[in-house]
Amino acid sequence: DAGVTQSPTHLIKTRGQHVTLRCSPISGHKSVSWYQQVLGQGPQFIFQYYEKEERGRGNFPDRFSARQFPNYSSELNVNALLLGDSALYLCASSQSGTREETQYFGPGTRLLVL
Amino acid sequence: GESVGLHLPTLSVQEGDNSIINCAYSNSASDYFIWYKQESGKGPQFIIDIRSNMDKRQGQRVTVLLNKTVKHLSLQIAATQPGDSAVYFCAESPSSNTGKLIFGQGTTLQVKP
Repeated sequence: DAGVTQSPTHLIKTRGQHVTLRCSPISGHKSVSWYQQVLGQGPQFIFQYYEKEERGRGNFPDRFSARQFPNYSSELNVNALLLGDSALYLCASSQSGTREETQYFGPGTRLLVL
Repeated sequence: GESVGLHLPTLSVQEGDNSIINCAYSNSASDYFIWYKQESGKGPQFIIDIRSNMDKRQGQRVTVLLNKTVKHLSLQIAATQPGDSAVYFCAESPSSNTGKLIFGQGTTLQVKP
């Protein structure tokens, strides 16, 4: 079975632009979470979605938004990009998104904002 | 607030030795912890988890110890191999209905041949 997939793998944008990152969960998984990992730090929770509904939101500005589609894939959107948004964006999936379920991470999308 | 931290940013061990990676947490209500391994260019990979009703849990070559009194957990890797070279993160799952994970900053394990 394929693991969590993310696209694109790398992306370069300039300040003020908008970006859309995509994630496909493991087949059968209905929950997707997004994390931001700045170089040298641990991942930081951005959003969790389950059955197309937002289940949790981290401490990120409203420039960050996400959605989940009927096939459980997900998009993360970031508007008005800042230099500080440069990071590895990770997607994780699990079957039902409960707290003691193993979450499986994708390889991430590396975003560079110039 | 919630926070999870690691004691050492880098740990260097000889191949075949045992490795011990430490982690401290601040929220005494935290009751579920997970260790992840992140290799270069990859996403974090689940290693082992432990619930607060346990002091110790063992996996294949790995053992996690939890000391709730001092809010400390450790990951022990037996007979460390070159393939164990990676960044190791401890994470906690807050008491909520979400799958939100709070990660520490990570310890880089370097295995010398």
